[in-house]
Amino acid sequence: GNSVTQMEGPVTLSEEAFLTINCTYTATGYPSLFWYVQYPGEGLQLLLKATKADDKGSNKGFEATYRKETTSFHLEKGSVQVSDSAVYFCALLAAGNKLTFGGGTRVLVKP
Amino acid sequence: KAGVTQTPRYLIKTRGQQVTLSCSPISGHRSVSWYQQTPGQGLQFLFEYFSETQRNKGNFPGRFSGRQFSNSRSEMNVSTLELGDSALYLCASSYMTGLYGYTFGSGTRLTVV
Repeated sequence: GNSVTQMEGPVTLSEEAFLTINCTYTATGYPSLFWYVQYPGEGLQLLLKATKADDKGSNKGFEATYRKETTSFHLEKGSVQVSDSAVYFCALLAAGNKLTFGGGTRVLVKP
Repeated sequence: KAGVTQTPRYLIKTRGQQVTLSCSPISGHRSVSWYQQTPGQGLQFLFEYFSETQRNKGNFPGRFSGRQFSNSRSEMNVSTLELGDSALYLCASSYMTGLYGYTFGSGTRLTVV
């Protein structure tokens, strides 16, 4: 079956530091890949997506590139802010139109 | 435009009872999915409805059911509640498929005591 593995948190950073959250996946076929973010007390928000190999998704300074050869979709941001503190979920969408999520990575950015 | 609206935000129920949760998708969105979020199991897919038909189903017992109305609003029902059903239930909508990204509601926090 499909699965997503992402690094466990929490990840604690200082403001303006570089953030990387690793995500790898296992899937049959050619899934689409997503990063969602969840702020305390809220639902998930779509952060970025990529639908085919070598696509780069980007939004709000975050980037991730769909790497088929390494089955990865790592999330990066060059300079984090306190407001980026949240839980980040990597997910894939394959046949059946359902999202398969990773376990989530909590990120805490300190001023 | 209005986002995905879930009601109620919080619920406390007793074991053995049943509960109904409601979800109003973004106007024009025809696909509605439900997910259960727990600290132990993470985010798990329950089911997806499209044009009033259940299109996909996750691996949950038959106590979990749902439906979608002609205006795309959806409800999910859990019967004979168990302590393990305590979770955040998230509804997500999209226009046709999740390929464009789902929009999630803020969820209903269900506590079973």
